[in-house]
Amino acid sequence: QQQVKQSPQSLIVQKGGISIINCAYENTAFDYFPWYQQFPGKGPALLIAIRPDVSEKKEGRFTISFNKSAKQFSLHIMDSQPGDSATYFCAPPSSNTGKLIFGQGTTLQVKP
Amino acid sequence: NAGVMQNPRHLVRRRGQEARLRCSPMKGHSHVYWYRQLPEEGLKFMVYLQKENIIDESGMPKERFSAEFPKEGPSILRIQQVVRGDSAAYFCASSPLIESYNEQFFGPGTRLTVL
Repeated sequence: QQQVKQSPQSLIVQKGGISIINCAYENTAFDYFPWYQQFPGKGPALLIAIRPDVSEKKEGRFTISFNKSAKQFSLHIMDSQPGDSATYFCAPPSSNTGKLIFGQGTTLQVKP
Repeated sequence: NAGVMQNPRHLVRRRGQEARLRCSPMKGHSHVYWYRQLPEEGLKFMVYLQKENIIDESGMPKERFSAEFPKEGPSILRIQQVVRGDSAAYFCASSPLIESYNEQFFGPGTRLTVL
């Protein structure tokens, strides 16, 4: 069973704070670990992704940390801004068909 | 380069009617995925298609749902005899290649309401 468990379900952070969202997976065949961002009324869009041969990737204020032995990866948003308020999904793809296996989602609210 | 297009954006149907959702992938993309998002839930995979072929339909309900991606024209997700439980947002995504490293590009979704 391909399962992806995401936490927390919701998160409230003050402007300028750090937002941390975690994702745990079971399928060791996953070989690509993306985070998608979804604003209300819109489709998801790729935010940042990591391959399993590195432990961390940073793009601007967004960082992915990857722990292969624990089968976990996390999204860190530094200096969180109100414009970051959205729902975030971890969604590793199946290695044979590419279908995305979505976590349950985390609704982030950044207060000004 | 236009993004993934879906229409209609909003669709209202009465129980028992048919719903047809259309998806035009990005130019040059030959792989289409359909996902369903129920209220307050994450997205669930439904079906993966390439031109004229269904590759993986493991997420499709066994009855009333069908999908196609013809040689010409958009991909169609068809729901027959809709029920209230079909009310959801339906997203399609396209990708240029099958390799898992490739990003999937999502459309804006079709929000189906069944009265």
